[in-house]
Amino acid sequence: SQTIHQWPATLVQPVGSPLSLECTVEGTSNPNLYWYRQAAGRGLQLLFYSVGIGQISSEVPQNLSASRPQDRQFILSSKKLLLSDSGFYLCAWSVSSEAFFGQGTRLTVV
Amino acid sequence: DAKTTQPTSMDCAEGRAANLPCNHSTISGNEYVYWYRQIHSQGPQYIIHGLKNNETNEMASLIITEDRKSSTLILPHATLRDTAVYYCIAGLGGSYIPTFGRGTSLIVHP
Repeated sequence: SQTIHQWPATLVQPVGSPLSLECTVEGTSNPNLYWYRQAAGRGLQLLFYSVGIGQISSEVPQNLSASRPQDRQFILSSKKLLLSDSGFYLCAWSVSSEAFFGQGTRLTVV
Repeated sequence: DAKTTQPTSMDCAEGRAANLPCNHSTISGNEYVYWYRQIHSQGPQYIIHGLKNNETNEMASLIITEDRKSSTLILPHATLRDTAVYYCIAGLGGSYIPTFGRGTSLIVHP
C-alpha cells in the first residue's frame, strides 16, 4: 500500500535560518507531489507542485523553493526564514484522482 | 477549475445525518466533485468524489444534482470524530491540482 512520510512533525527555527522539509512517498511510481501551507486560522495554500523529477511549478512567489531530486522525494527549502513563514506545512501526492496528505510539519519561526 | 461555495459552518447532533451542501454552478462537463475533510491539526483526508452519478463508500454518500450545479455530502450517522472542516473541490479527474477554499466547519455535538 502507499504511504507518505513527512518530517519533522514540529520545528522551531530562528528568523534568518535555513529550512529543509522532506517528504517521501512509498508504494507508487511517478506521483504528482504537492506542498501546501496553512497559516494559523487560515485555509490551505498551494505552494508548489511537481509532475515529475526536476519539474516544479510555483503557485506563490516567496522565499521558499522546492526540489524533486528523486521520483518519490519532494523537498521544501528556504535560505532565510521569515516570521511569516510560520505555519502548518503539508505534503501530498496523487496518481489518479484523489490526493493523499502527510501528517504535516508545524513550523514556528521565532 | 470551477469555483465552489460552501456554508462557513454547520452543526449536527451525534447519530443524526449530516448533510453538507456545495454549490458549483460553473462546473464543466468533465470536472469531478471531490470532498476532503481536515480534522484539527491533521492533514486533509480524501472522502469521496463523483462526476454525475451518486456515489457511496464506507465514509459517506455524495448526491449530485442532475444539472450538476450543486452536490451534498451525507454522513449518515455522524459521530463526534466527524467534527472537522469539510472541503468541496471541483476539478478534472487525473490532472487536477487540489485547491482548497475555506470549507465548512462541521461540529458534531452530543
